[in-house]
Amino acid sequence: DSGVTQTPKHLITATGQRVTLRCSPRSGDLSVYWYQQSLDQGLQFLIQYYNGEERAKGNILERFSAQQFPDLHSELNLSSLELGDSALYFCASSARDPPYGYTFGSGTRLTVV
Amino acid sequence: DAKTTQPNSMESNEEEPVHLPCNHSTISGTDYIHWYRQLPSQGPEYVIHGLTSNVNNRMASLAIAEDRKSSTLILHRATLRDAAVYYCILDSYGGSQGNLIFGKGTKLSVKP
Repeated sequence: DSGVTQTPKHLITATGQRVTLRCSPRSGDLSVYWYQQSLDQGLQFLIQYYNGEERAKGNILERFSAQQFPDLHSELNLSSLELGDSALYFCASSARDPPYGYTFGSGTRLTVV
Repeated sequence: DAKTTQPNSMESNEEEPVHLPCNHSTISGTDYIHWYRQLPSQGPEYVIHGLTSNVNNRMASLAIAEDRKSSTLILHRATLRDAAVYYCILDSYGGSQGNLIFGKGTKLSVKP
Protein backbone atom coordinates (compact mmCIF):
# COMPACT_ATOMS: atom_id res chain seq x y z
CA ASP A 1 0.00 0.00 0.00
CA SER A 2 1.61 3.24 -1.21
CA GLY A 3 -0.59 5.48 0.93
CA VAL A 4 -2.33 6.99 -2.10
CA THR A 5 -5.83 5.56 -2.45
CA GLN A 6 -7.73 5.53 -5.71
CA THR A 7 -11.31 4.44 -6.20
CA PRO A 8 -12.81 2.68 -7.98
CA LYS A 9 -10.20 0.20 -9.20
CA HIS A 10 -12.19 -0.67 -12.29
CA LEU A 11 -14.91 1.20 -14.16
CA ILE A 12 -16.81 0.16 -17.25
CA THR A 13 -19.11 2.68 -18.85
CA ALA A 14 -20.68 3.55 -22.17
CA THR A 15 -19.69 6.23 -24.63
CA GLY A 16 -21.18 9.62 -23.88
CA GLN A 17 -21.36 8.99 -20.17
CA ARG A 18 -19.67 10.85 -17.31
CA VAL A 19 -17.58 9.32 -14.54
CA THR A 20 -15.74 10.54 -11.46
CA LEU A 21 -12.46 9.09 -10.27
CA ARG A 22 -11.39 9.71 -6.71
CA CYS A 23 -7.97 10.03 -5.13
CA SER A 24 -6.91 10.39 -1.49
CA PRO A 25 -3.30 11.54 -1.22
CA ARG A 26 -0.75 10.24 1.24
CA SER A 27 -1.19 11.77 4.68
CA GLY A 28 0.46 15.18 4.83
CA ASP A 29 0.94 15.57 1.08
CA LEU A 30 -0.53 18.78 -0.28
CA SER A 31 -0.01 18.15 -4.00
CA VAL A 32 -2.08 15.81 -6.12
CA TYR A 33 -1.31 14.93 -9.73
CA TRP A 34 -3.36 13.04 -12.29
CA TYR A 35 -1.83 10.94 -15.06
CA GLN A 36 -3.35 8.97 -17.91
CA GLN A 37 -1.69 5.82 -19.23
CA SER A 38 -2.90 4.34 -22.47
CA LEU A 39 -1.22 1.62 -24.50
CA ASP A 40 -0.10 3.90 -27.30
CA GLN A 41 0.64 7.10 -25.37
CA GLY A 42 2.40 5.95 -22.25
CA LEU A 43 2.09 8.00 -19.06
CA GLN A 44 0.78 11.50 -19.72
CA PHE A 45 0.51 14.23 -17.12
CA LEU A 46 -2.98 15.70 -16.94
CA ILE A 47 -3.18 18.19 -14.08
CA GLN A 48 -1.79 19.12 -10.67
CA TYR A 49 -3.48 20.61 -7.62
CA TYR A 50 -1.69 22.05 -4.63
CA ASN A 51 -3.65 22.65 -1.43
CA GLY A 52 -6.89 23.15 -3.32
CA GLU A 53 -5.53 25.32 -6.13
CA GLU A 54 -4.78 24.28 -9.69
CA ARG A 55 -0.99 24.46 -10.08
CA ALA A 56 -0.14 23.00 -13.49
CA LYS A 57 -1.95 21.69 -16.51
CA GLY A 58 -0.77 19.13 -19.02
CA ASN A 59 -2.51 17.38 -21.87
CA ILE A 60 -5.94 17.46 -20.29
CA LEU A 61 -8.94 17.51 -22.60
CA GLU A 62 -11.66 20.11 -22.13
CA ARG A 63 -14.08 17.24 -21.42
CA PHE A 64 -12.00 16.44 -18.35
CA SER A 65 -11.88 18.47 -15.16
CA ALA A 66 -10.53 18.02 -11.68
CA GLN A 67 -10.70 19.58 -8.26
CA GLN A 68 -9.10 19.21 -4.88
CA PHE A 69 -11.22 19.52 -1.79
CA PRO A 70 -10.40 21.04 1.64
CA ASP A 71 -9.60 17.58 3.02
CA LEU A 72 -7.08 17.33 0.12
CA HIS A 73 -8.74 14.47 -1.69
CA SER A 74 -9.14 15.03 -5.40
CA GLU A 75 -11.62 14.03 -8.06
CA LEU A 76 -11.10 13.72 -11.79
CA ASN A 77 -14.29 14.12 -13.80
CA LEU A 78 -14.44 12.70 -17.29
CA SER A 79 -17.45 13.55 -19.42
CA SER A 80 -18.79 12.78 -22.90
CA LEU A 81 -16.65 9.70 -22.81
CA GLU A 82 -15.20 8.27 -26.00
CA LEU A 83 -13.69 4.87 -26.72
CA GLY A 84 -10.25 6.50 -26.80
CA ASP A 85 -10.58 7.56 -23.18
CA SER A 86 -10.17 3.96 -22.12
CA ALA A 87 -6.97 3.93 -20.09
CA LEU A 88 -5.43 3.62 -16.68
CA TYR A 89 -5.73 6.80 -14.65
CA PHE A 90 -3.17 7.29 -11.91
CA CYS A 91 -3.12 9.75 -9.10
CA ALA A 92 0.12 10.74 -7.37
CA SER A 93 0.89 12.93 -4.39
CA SER A 94 3.99 14.65 -3.10
CA ALA A 95 5.09 16.53 -0.02
CA ARG A 96 5.09 20.28 0.04
CA ASP A 97 8.71 21.01 -0.72
CA PRO A 98 10.74 19.58 -3.59
CA PRO A 99 12.55 17.43 -4.36
CA TYR A 100 10.75 14.63 -2.60
CA GLY A 101 9.58 11.75 -4.70
CA TYR A 102 6.05 11.29 -5.92
CA THR A 103 3.89 8.49 -4.57
CA PHE A 104 1.50 6.91 -7.05
CA GLY A 105 -1.73 5.10 -6.38
CA SER A 106 -2.60 1.78 -7.98
CA GLY A 107 -4.81 3.43 -10.57
CA THR A 108 -8.33 3.24 -11.93
CA ARG A 109 -8.80 1.21 -15.07
CA LEU A 110 -11.49 2.88 -17.18
CA THR A 111 -13.07 0.96 -20.02
CA VAL A 112 -15.44 2.81 -22.34
CA VAL A 113 -17.64 0.54 -24.44
CA ASP B 1 11.14 20.17 -21.66
CA ALA B 2 14.27 18.25 -20.79
CA LYS B 3 14.33 14.75 -22.27
CA THR B 4 16.00 11.48 -21.39
CA THR B 5 17.18 8.59 -23.52
CA GLN B 6 17.10 5.01 -22.28
CA PRO B 7 17.55 1.63 -23.95
CA ASN B 8 14.23 0.00 -24.75
CA SER B 9 15.03 -3.21 -22.95
CA MET B 10 17.68 -4.98 -20.90
CA GLU B 11 18.13 -8.45 -19.53
CA SER B 12 19.73 -9.55 -16.33
CA ASN B 13 20.31 -12.74 -14.41
CA GLU B 14 18.91 -13.12 -10.96
CA GLU B 15 21.26 -12.09 -8.13
CA GLU B 16 23.57 -10.24 -10.48
CA PRO B 17 24.02 -6.45 -10.51
CA VAL B 18 22.16 -4.43 -13.11
CA HIS B 19 23.26 -1.09 -14.49
CA LEU B 20 20.48 0.85 -16.20
CA PRO B 21 21.83 3.83 -18.19
CA CYS B 22 20.14 7.12 -18.93
CA ASN B 23 21.33 10.02 -21.06
CA HIS B 24 20.09 13.52 -20.39
CA SER B 25 22.40 15.80 -22.32
CA THR B 26 20.07 18.83 -22.10
CA ILE B 27 19.78 18.74 -18.31
CA SER B 28 19.73 22.12 -16.62
CA GLY B 29 21.27 23.07 -13.32
CA THR B 30 17.98 22.84 -11.41
CA ASP B 31 16.85 19.48 -12.81
CA TYR B 32 16.71 16.60 -10.39
CA ILE B 33 17.20 13.11 -11.81
CA HIS B 34 14.45 10.75 -10.71
CA TRP B 35 14.03 7.05 -11.31
CA TYR B 36 10.72 5.29 -11.10
CA ARG B 37 9.71 1.77 -11.95
CA GLN B 38 6.41 0.29 -12.93
CA LEU B 39 5.51 -3.32 -12.39
CA PRO B 40 2.75 -4.81 -14.56
CA SER B 41 -0.71 -3.49 -13.66
CA GLN B 42 0.66 -1.23 -10.93
CA GLY B 43 1.32 2.46 -10.54
CA PRO B 44 4.85 3.82 -10.92
CA GLU B 45 6.97 3.38 -7.84
CA TYR B 46 9.62 5.85 -6.73
CA VAL B 47 13.09 4.33 -6.71
CA ILE B 48 15.63 7.07 -6.14
CA HIS B 49 16.51 10.63 -7.06
CA GLY B 50 19.55 12.91 -6.99
CA LEU B 51 20.93 16.23 -8.11
CA THR B 52 24.69 16.09 -8.35
CA SER B 53 26.13 13.53 -5.95
CA ASN B 54 25.74 9.77 -6.08
CA VAL B 55 22.89 8.52 -3.93
CA ASN B 56 22.18 5.23 -2.19
CA ASN B 57 19.02 3.91 -0.63
CA ARG B 58 17.65 0.52 0.31
CA MET B 59 16.38 -0.12 -3.20
CA ALA B 60 19.22 1.05 -5.43
CA SER B 61 22.12 3.38 -6.08
CA LEU B 62 22.22 6.30 -8.45
CA ALA B 63 25.50 7.23 -10.08
CA ILE B 64 25.52 10.67 -11.69
CA ALA B 65 28.20 11.68 -14.18
CA GLU B 66 30.32 14.67 -13.25
CA ASP B 67 28.87 16.73 -16.12
CA ARG B 68 25.36 15.45 -15.18
CA LYS B 69 24.63 14.56 -18.79
CA SER B 70 24.10 10.92 -17.89
CA SER B 71 23.26 8.75 -14.92
CA THR B 72 23.08 5.06 -14.08
CA LEU B 73 20.64 3.27 -11.83
CA ILE B 74 22.32 0.35 -10.12
CA LEU B 75 20.39 -2.59 -8.71
CA HIS B 76 22.98 -4.43 -6.68
CA ARG B 77 21.39 -7.89 -6.81
CA ALA B 78 18.51 -8.27 -9.23
CA THR B 79 15.57 -10.38 -8.12
CA LEU B 80 12.62 -11.62 -10.14
CA ARG B 81 10.54 -8.92 -8.46
CA ASP B 82 12.75 -6.26 -10.05
CA ALA B 83 11.37 -7.11 -13.51
CA ALA B 84 9.63 -3.88 -14.48
CA VAL B 85 9.79 -0.83 -16.73
CA TYR B 86 12.29 1.66 -15.34
CA TYR B 87 11.84 5.33 -16.11
CA CYS B 88 14.53 7.98 -15.86
CA ILE B 89 12.93 11.39 -15.48
CA LEU B 90 14.19 14.94 -15.13
CA ASP B 91 12.14 16.91 -12.65
CA SER B 92 12.38 20.65 -13.05
CA TYR B 93 11.71 22.69 -9.90
CA GLY B 94 10.90 19.56 -7.95
CA GLY B 95 7.40 18.98 -6.68
CA SER B 96 6.18 22.50 -7.35
CA GLN B 97 6.18 21.95 -11.09
CA GLY B 98 4.23 18.75 -11.02
CA ASN B 99 5.00 17.67 -14.51
CA LEU B 100 6.95 14.45 -14.62
CA ILE B 101 7.55 13.62 -18.27
CA PHE B 102 7.65 9.87 -18.65
CA GLY B 103 9.39 8.44 -21.69
CA LYS B 104 9.17 4.85 -22.86
CA GLY B 105 11.55 3.65 -20.16
CA THR B 106 13.67 0.50 -20.11
CA LYS B 107 11.93 -2.83 -19.75
CA LEU B 108 14.08 -4.96 -17.48
CA SER B 109 13.75 -8.73 -17.69
CA VAL B 110 15.30 -10.86 -14.96
CA LYS B 111 16.13 -14.46 -15.71
CA PRO B 112 16.24 -17.06 -12.92
